[in-house]
Amino acid sequence: GENVEQHPSTLSVQEGDSAVIKCTYSDSASNYFPWYKQELGKGPQLIIDIRSNVGEKKDQRIAVTLNKTAKHFSLHITETQPEDSAVYFCAASRGAQAAGNKLTFGGGTRVLVKP
Amino acid sequence: DAGVIQSPRHEVTEMGQEVTLRCKPISGHNSLFWYRQTMMRGLELLIYFNNNVPIDDSGMPEDRFSAKMPNASFSTLKIQPSEPRDSAVYFCASSFRGRFEAKNIQYFGAGTRLSVL
Repeated sequence: GENVEQHPSTLSVQEGDSAVIKCTYSDSASNYFPWYKQELGKGPQLIIDIRSNVGEKKDQRIAVTLNKTAKHFSLHITETQPEDSAVYFCAASRGAQAAGNKLTFGGGTRVLVKP
Repeated sequence: DAGVIQSPRHEVTEMGQEVTLRCKPISGHNSLFWYRQTMMRGLELLIYFNNNVPIDDSGMPEDRFSAKMPNASFSTLKIQPSEPRDSAVYFCASSFRGRFEAKNIQYFGAGTRLSVL
């Protein structure tokens, strides 16, 4: 089955600096890679996703890059703000190819943005 | 839509008691997932349903755990008997899986925090 590893487990940055979280996956058939943000006391929420036919996607201060050959993808947050403090999860899925539509999640990264 | 609704938000029970967690998925969604989150093990998929049918329950820890989805708008996760090691936050998520849909956007509920004493 799919295995997703995420690094680092914790990340502390100064407000205004950039934050980068990296994930690797094992299943070459995975073709959909979402990122979720979980705030304290809440469930994870999708913030950005990328499909395997795209190398990079950007949404305001957030960008995701994908390297299919190396089987890794990254989340980049620029100009970090205190409200970016949360736990971030990467995930991978085979999408419509799968009998189900199961996501495999990484272990999470706790991001702290210091004012 | 109100999103995925879970109840109760918090549950405190004693070891050996039966616990039932409830989930109402987003209307129109045809896939439902139960996850468990702990500090040690992160976010673990327990079981998921497509069109009310259990597809993969390989994540269910043991026979004490069971899940049902009697209709498209309701699911339960039951633990009987409960043990202290079951203490965790349990999330329900739902998504729409179309035949040619390559995305699997899962929408999570707010979770149920379970404490077994």
